[in-house]
Amino acid sequence: EDQVTQSPEALRLQEGESSSLNCSYTVSGLRGLFWYRQDPGKGPEFLFTLYSAGEEKEKERLKATLTKKESFLHITAPKPEDSATYLCAVTSAGSARQLTFGSGTQLTVLP
Amino acid sequence: DTAVSQTPKYLVTQMGNDKSIKCEQNLGHDTMYWYKQDSKKFLKIMFSYNNKELIINETVPNRFSPKSPDKAHLNLHINSLELGDSAVYFCASSQGGGFYGYTFGSGTRLTVV
Repeated sequence: EDQVTQSPEALRLQEGESSSLNCSYTVSGLRGLFWYRQDPGKGPEFLFTLYSAGEEKEKERLKATLTKKESFLHITAPKPEDSATYLCAVTSAGSARQLTFGSGTQLTVLP
Repeated sequence: DTAVSQTPKYLVTQMGNDKSIKCEQNLGHDTMYWYKQDSKKFLKIMFSYNNKELIINETVPNRFSPKSPDKAHLNLHINSLELGDSAVYFCASSQGGGFYGYTFGSGTRLTVV
C-alpha cells in the first residue's frame, strides 16, 4: 500500500523567509509524484508532477525536487498570497489510476 | 468556464436521509473520481470511473453509490446518511491515468445533523 507523509504539519514564515516542505513516500513502482495547492473552501489546484529521481520543476517562487524517497517543495521569498495548504500525492504501478495523498502542510506567510 | 463543477456546494441534512451530489466536467477527460476529505484535510479516493465504467471502488459503505450517465458526468448518491459521513466530497477528472494531473472541483461540504 502506498504511503505519503508530509512535514511539517504547519509552517509560519515571514514574508521573504525561504523554506522547504517535505514529502516522504513509500510506493511500489513510483509512476508520478504530484504537488497541489489548496486554498480554504476550494479544491486542490495542480502545481507539478515529477516522474523520476533527480527531476526538478519550477513555477514562480516554487521549486519541486524529487529523490527516490522524498520530494521537497522549496519556497523562495514567499509572499502572503502563497499561504495555503500544500498537498503531496503519488501514483504507482500498483495504483495507477488513483492518487494517494499526504495530509498536507498548512503554510502561513505573514506580511 | 468552470472545468469541474459540483452541486451543491453546501448540504446540511438529517441522519437517515438520502442525498445526491452532482459533478460535471467540460475538459473532455475520460476518467472521473470521487474523493472524500475528512476534518484533518486527508483526501482519500472513493470511486473512479473511466469512460462510464467503474474501475476503482475503495472500501466505502454500500450506502454510497456512484453513477456515471456519460463520461462528462459522475454523480454520488448516499443512502441513510450517518453523522460520520460529514466531510467535504471532491469530484475530479483526468485524462487517462492522470499522469499530467487531476482537475478538482470546488467540493461539496456535507453536514449530517
